[in-house]
Amino acid sequence: EPEVTQTPSHQVTQMGQEVILRCVPISNHLYFYWYRQILGQKVEFLVSFYNNEISEKSEIFDDQFSVERPDGSNFTLKIRSTKLEDSAMYFCATSRGASGRSRETQYFGPGTRLLVL
Amino acid sequence: DQQVKQNSPSLSVQEGRISILNCDYTNSMFDYFLWYKKYPAEGPTFLISISSIKDKNEDGRFTVFLNKSAKHLSLHIVPSQPGDSAVYFCAASAVLQGAQKLVFGQGTRLTINP
Repeated sequence: EPEVTQTPSHQVTQMGQEVILRCVPISNHLYFYWYRQILGQKVEFLVSFYNNEISEKSEIFDDQFSVERPDGSNFTLKIRSTKLEDSAMYFCATSRGASGRSRETQYFGPGTRLLVL
Repeated sequence: DQQVKQNSPSLSVQEGRISILNCDYTNSMFDYFLWYKKYPAEGPTFLISISSIKDKNEDGRFTVFLNKSAKHLSLHIVPSQPGDSAVYFCAASAVLQGAQKLVFGQGTRLTINP
């Protein structure tokens, strides 16, 4: 069964450093998402990406965050200057999304645990 | 943001019995609901979904019920098995409004006792 994969599984970084989290979506999926879960809190939506542009983002997704699909397979989340409060599990999700309003299920990757010191 | 609420942080059920997990929502624009299961150190795994045009959807041991007037949904697992022990999240989306994001509840930790 196709899966969403994410690398690295764990990342430790110093405050102020840039991090890039990577995701390989399921191959025929067209919509890509990033979510995060701070320890003990809910899973929160960050951003959705379709047709090489952001289609929706939350208030969490400020100028420090960016997403791109650099090579047609990977989908990346970059945090330019990490803060302590960025420490969380970051989940990539993808959906097939044959049409813009299709009720397509989102399938999640295993997550990257980011720790900012 | 309390748009989706799971009021029971934990639930313990005997193996073979029915597990019932509950979820309430406040946003009447939500029209698509999903349940995910999560093991430690893994991502959420999709279980079952329901559109707001239905009030029930069944898949094997899993059934989701939707009560739109009460803004309540529930997941029934029967019979419960030890492998069902995990954290269960309900999630909702306002698809017809063009939203793609899922709004999650806090999760309920289900423990199935042998």
